[in-house]
Amino acid sequence: EVQLVESGGALVKPGGSLRLSCAASGFTFQNVWLNWVRQAPGKGLEWVGLIKSKTDGGTTDYAAPVRGRFTISRDDSTNTLNLQMNSLKIEDTAVYYCTTDGNESYFDDWGQGTLVTVSS
Amino acid sequence: QSVLTQPPSASGTPGQRVTISCSGGRSNIGDNSVDWYQQFPGTAPRLLIYGFYQRPSGVPDRFSGSKSGTSASLAISGLQSEDEADYYCAAWDDSLSGVVFGGGTKLTVL
Repeated sequence: EVQLVESGGALVKPGGSLRLSCAASGFTFQNVWLNWVRQAPGKGLEWVGLIKSKTDGGTTDYAAPVRGRFTISRDDSTNTLNLQMNSLKIEDTAVYYCTTDGNESYFDDWGQGTLVTVSS
Repeated sequence: QSVLTQPPSASGTPGQRVTISCSGGRSNIGDNSVDWYQQFPGTAPRLLIYGFYQRPSGVPDRFSGSKSGTSASLAISGLQSEDEADYYCAAWDDSLSGVVFGGGTKLTVL
């Protein structure tokens, strides 16, 4: 059974930094592309970015609102996906979900999410 | 303002058929596949339809997807009270080089 467990969500001041992690199990982690998707309180879903498997280059893509501030990385030795968030803004406040990228779907499995609140 | 346009709400009575639309453009729905996601309050979304029409295992065949030009639709037949949820469409956008979502449709079962 696929399990994705996010952690690291917290209250942080504008301009601050935060690192989220997602512990994965139940599938061959190194072979899978992974995404972060966020949802602001009471709002819709927003794609944050993705990281490809190392065999596919291990490259990353980001949504425009976070490009240059957020960095996605993966550790295939510990089956962990990370999201380093710098220069945080109030509008980054959201629940952040990690998801697997399916062969034919964009977001196959989802974690339960972790809440990031950016406020002074 | 979402790149993909969905009606903010939809409703139906038990047993009815309800359709939710998702309108886009050539750079997203026109050239790429569409997924649909279902989300209950306080929980993570789950994949409902992928590749316009395909259902993952475990999704009832009451749920179906279709495409016409630069629009996609999700149909729910034999509506049940447990279908009351938020529904989102998603597609890759070639111009933005990323996945875009619709704003979501809140389905109410009357």
